[in-house]
Amino acid sequence: GQQLNQSPQSMFIQEGEDVSMNCTSSSIFNTWLWYKQDPGEGPVLLIALYKAGELTSNGRLTAQFGITRKDSFLNISASIPSDVGIYFCAGQKGASGSRLTFGEGTQLTVNP
Amino acid sequence: ETGVTQSPTHLIKTRGQQVTLRCSSQSGHNTVSWYQQALGQGPQFIFQYYREEENGRGNFPPRFSGLQFPNYSSELNVNALELDDSALYLCASTPQQGAPDTQYFGPGTRLTVL
Repeated sequence: GQQLNQSPQSMFIQEGEDVSMNCTSSSIFNTWLWYKQDPGEGPVLLIALYKAGELTSNGRLTAQFGITRKDSFLNISASIPSDVGIYFCAGQKGASGSRLTFGEGTQLTVNP
Repeated sequence: ETGVTQSPTHLIKTRGQQVTLRCSSQSGHNTVSWYQQALGQGPQFIFQYYREEENGRGNFPPRFSGLQFPNYSSELNVNALELDDSALYLCASTPQQGAPDTQYFGPGTRLTVL
């Protein structure tokens, strides 16, 4: 099935560093979302973006909805150990409540 | 805590067997979606149920089927299990026409097919 191209696949950083990851698609999405998944848990929504060009923040997290509607990025500033986990982008094409298409995930490791 | 619960937590089956996974939606959510997440991959959409009817399906064969009950809880059934069906199965519930930020995932059921 279709998946979004998410990069990098993994990142190893020191506590306090900033992190950037991005997601691209060959097709247009109406909504972009970023999730974090911890071991043994389901994905938890971090940020939802509804409009092309939109820049949204949630604490130390900032995400942008690309102008072409085919890409998005997520930045994490001043990383802390609890930021460890797998981050997924997801796109939604149709009406609210319709299916999500996920990226392959970015595994983030933060060294104290 | 999302209010979405799934059972069982873990399950081991052998090839050819059938399995039923269960999901209890968050209160007030009448739409439920099921996703398959293979190890090291992102979740893949299986299907969605709204008011007890299938409302969209991903690229999965007919041996993957589902049910939604009047209380909006849901089941995912997989017949003739194959080794590649080993994965984490996630359900997500949302209100009708709810925005994506109202869609909540359960913790998943880890299925291992031997």
